[in-house]
Amino acid sequence: SYELTQPSSVSVSPGQTARITCSGNILTKKYVRWFQQKPGQAPQLLIHQDTERPSGIPERFSGSSSGTTATLTLTGAQVDDDADYYCYSMADNIGVFGGGTRLTVL
Amino acid sequence: QVQLVQSGEEVKKPGASVKVSCKAFGYSFKSYGITWARQAPGQGLEWIGWINAYDGATNHTHGLRGRVAMTTDTSTSTAYLELRGLRPDDTATYYCARQKTTGIDYWGQGSLVTVSS
Repeated sequence: SYELTQPSSVSVSPGQTARITCSGNILTKKYVRWFQQKPGQAPQLLIHQDTERPSGIPERFSGSSSGTTATLTLTGAQVDDDADYYCYSMADNIGVFGGGTRLTVL
Repeated sequence: QVQLVQSGEEVKKPGASVKVSCKAFGYSFKSYGITWARQAPGQGLEWIGWINAYDGATNHTHGLRGRVAMTTDTSTSTAYLELRGLRPDDTATYYCARQKTTGIDYWGQGSLVTVSS
């Protein structure tokens, strides 16, 4: 089975840049998606196909991927970005989520 | 617009079964799949499986195989997740999400299932 590994927590000051990584062998051959989840809410898609941002997602969110590691970059963090972030990928019809990263903006 | 509306909260006793529904609006239901995931209180997301709404083919996580069944009713654009032999550690919020070829995008609001004696 596939696994995706994320740091459990990341902290950033408002206006600064935060990077959240997601590591796993599956990423050498499959795209990653990133989701944001705020307390009491369902996850929301932030990034698909490693780097693509759906309409309505702020430009301060960007994605990249190289080898076995994908990175979600938040440029100019805002207090409203304080949330949990999950990476996700799929191979052989089996999906896998990373363990999630708690981003604290303070 | 695309919307997935799930059924309400359930409280079940250990050993019972639960069936969660997910009704789709705003897109061609048979052109996509439905993924199911769950989230235990204070924990991360766990992928359960997905069903192809076009032909009903399914794929499940190994951990729940034998206890989980995913079905669809294309006449009502509704997907169902049934979990049998419930245990206290099945207590979680269960989510459905639209499954594209490249992955999942839109999510339902979640259905809390509590298993307690």
